[in-house]
Amino acid sequence: AQTVTQSQPEMSVQEAETVTLSCTYDTSESNYYLFWYKQPPSRQMILVIRQEAYKQQNATENRFSVNFQKAAKSFSLKISDSQLGDTAMYFCAFIQGAQKLVFGQGTRLTINP
Amino acid sequence: GAVVSQHPSRVICKSGTSVKIECRSLDFQATTMFWYRQFPKQSLMLMATSNEGSKATYEQGVEKDKFLINHASLTLSTLTVTSAHPEDSSFYICSARGLTPTVSGANVLTFGAGSRLTVL
Repeated sequence: AQTVTQSQPEMSVQEAETVTLSCTYDTSESNYYLFWYKQPPSRQMILVIRQEAYKQQNATENRFSVNFQKAAKSFSLKISDSQLGDTAMYFCAFIQGAQKLVFGQGTRLTINP
Repeated sequence: GAVVSQHPSRVICKSGTSVKIECRSLDFQATTMFWYRQFPKQSLMLMATSNEGSKATYEQGVEKDKFLINHASLTLSTLTVTSAHPEDSSFYICSARGLTPTVSGANVLTFGAGSRLTVL
């Protein structure tokens, strides 16, 4: 069974700093998708970024980028120039084919002014 | 983009009553919908997967008679918490999978805003 592990329960950085959230996963499949979701205090799940496993190029979305290391089964999220609105729970997630989305435990990120 | 509407956002009920939560995909057809439960400061726990026109598949440990799921159309799934008790109080979130036009060949889950259930 696929598992997703986020080893950082909480992180805190100053506004404008860069922060990296870690995620590792376990699967025997070669084709799958990885996601980072953000859950702000409103609790609405918001897709931040996604990565297709067959693509070697790391995905980027404005200030958000990933470091996808397929062999190491690692999928970290880098947030550049962090903003107060980035304060949220961040969940790493994995999906393969038409199966269910598997979430990590989450990392609570706080951006301090 | 894809939008999923979930209602009600908050519901308070008395112990022993049943509560229905609706999850609608507004601008796409959702072949599969997922229901999650989230406890405070924890991750989302998948309760069940529903496919349109067929019975839901429940995760291990989830009581199918307690949490009734119906996926009668390609745009609507409902979760009914039957004979609710205080321990059923939680945050329930649905998500829907469909083929979105912005992601060719891929399917992306879109989440509803969640429903906070409080059972007195």
